[in-house]
Amino acid sequence: DAKTTQPNSMESNEEEPVHLPCNHSTISGTDYIHWYRQLPSQGPEYVIHGLTSNVNNRMASLAIAEDRKSSTLILHRATLRDAAVYYCLVGETSGSRLTFGEGTQLTVNP
Amino acid sequence: DTGVSQNPRHKITKRGQNVTFRCDPISEHNRLYWYRQTLGQGPEFLTYFQNEAQLEKSRLLSDRFSAERPKGSFSTLEIQRTEQGDSAMYLCASSQRHGSATNEKLFFGSGTQLSVL
Repeated sequence: DAKTTQPNSMESNEEEPVHLPCNHSTISGTDYIHWYRQLPSQGPEYVIHGLTSNVNNRMASLAIAEDRKSSTLILHRATLRDAAVYYCLVGETSGSRLTFGEGTQLTVNP
Repeated sequence: DTGVSQNPRHKITKRGQNVTFRCDPISEHNRLYWYRQTLGQGPEFLTYFQNEAQLEKSRLLSDRFSAERPKGSFSTLEIQRTEQGDSAMYLCASSQRHGSATNEKLFFGSGTQLSVL
């Protein structure tokens, strides 16, 4: 499965947009890009996924580079409840094939 | 939708004892996964079931670990002769997978935190 690279940590202010980057230069043509997040003392939570086109849902937007070697998770207005570890994963999306790295710890300042 | 339920939330045991965890997936989901997570790391895949069949096991799953999913509903993960290195959060996830679909979503429980003394 393709590896991903994410910053260890990022900070944001409440009610401001947050752009969380992810590099996945070895992604293959059929690999989906997934984002999960993990709040303290909870299991990971699905955020969004996409293949080639940008995707929007009620939680976030996913912007995928044209060459698919990178993507950005966009939280349009960060809230304190968005403070979590955000994981970017690529690959065949059977759970046995998803490799969670260390993710990005997002801190949201009031 | 009651979500994925895991019990117990916390388990403290002495080295050498056996422990068993339970996972109740979302009722209509046909896949069930077990992961292990240690502090500061992302979850690591252990094993998964499609209905009652255990289809894959990670090399992380030693002989002391066994998982079952009778009748394709709830699942149990048993660790025999626990070691201090088994201390971790054990996470269960479920999903609904149709055929060769490659974009299934995983729904995780809150995990069972195991501490081996």
